[in-house]
Amino acid sequence: GAVVSQHPSWVICKSGTSVKIECRSLDFQATTMFWYRQFPKQSLMLMATSNEGSKATYEQGVEKDKFLINHASLTLSTLTVTSAHPEDSSFYICSAIRQEQFFGPGTRLTVL
Amino acid sequence: GQNIDQPTEMTATEGAIVQINCTYQTSGFNGLFWYQQHAGEAPTFLSYNVLDGLEEKGRFSSFLSRSKGYSYLLLKELQMKDSASYLCAVRDGETGGFKTIFGAGTRLFVKA
Repeated sequence: GAVVSQHPSWVICKSGTSVKIECRSLDFQATTMFWYRQFPKQSLMLMATSNEGSKATYEQGVEKDKFLINHASLTLSTLTVTSAHPEDSSFYICSAIRQEQFFGPGTRLTVL
Repeated sequence: GQNIDQPTEMTATEGAIVQINCTYQTSGFNGLFWYQQHAGEAPTFLSYNVLDGLEEKGRFSSFLSRSKGYSYLLLKELQMKDSASYLCAVRDGETGGFKTIFGAGTRLFVKA
């Protein structure tokens, strides 16, 4: 069964609004989670590493103030896309490691 | 820096064998993964290699040569459902061993 869940599965929002995506590890604790973004027909691009109890580590070119990450507990990390714009429309996928890397089902964000 | 190369697309016939190659350059190495991804879905784990050699799992096999920075995924007895993108990913060994970087993926088309 699934070991990582994401919510919501898809979201449509207006430009300028903020969207929060949740990533949960099921039945295990994950001190580290990862957030990826995937544009159509492209591969997964690592955005940031979410660390429980400390600040996230962002990849080069990813705006910290735009993509807010909060790893509040050992089973939950959230990604908030602030002031979303149409170019932020993408497939956002989180993952956590339990012996191997498991991915959540992804969240498809469409910004109108 | 890190660089992962794999072919963009491949086409093969149902029942045949196909080999998808992947070359990589990383500052640190802590394992190589292959994932399968169907359109609109999250990646699913196929294989993991950390030592040189061939790992076989049913119809799928994965090979690694660390000295050459080379891996391949071998798919036997191809089925139509194998049409998907195959992602080569390398785990960076210098950042605590958990950061995974993905190649652009190889889209495999299986024809009847």
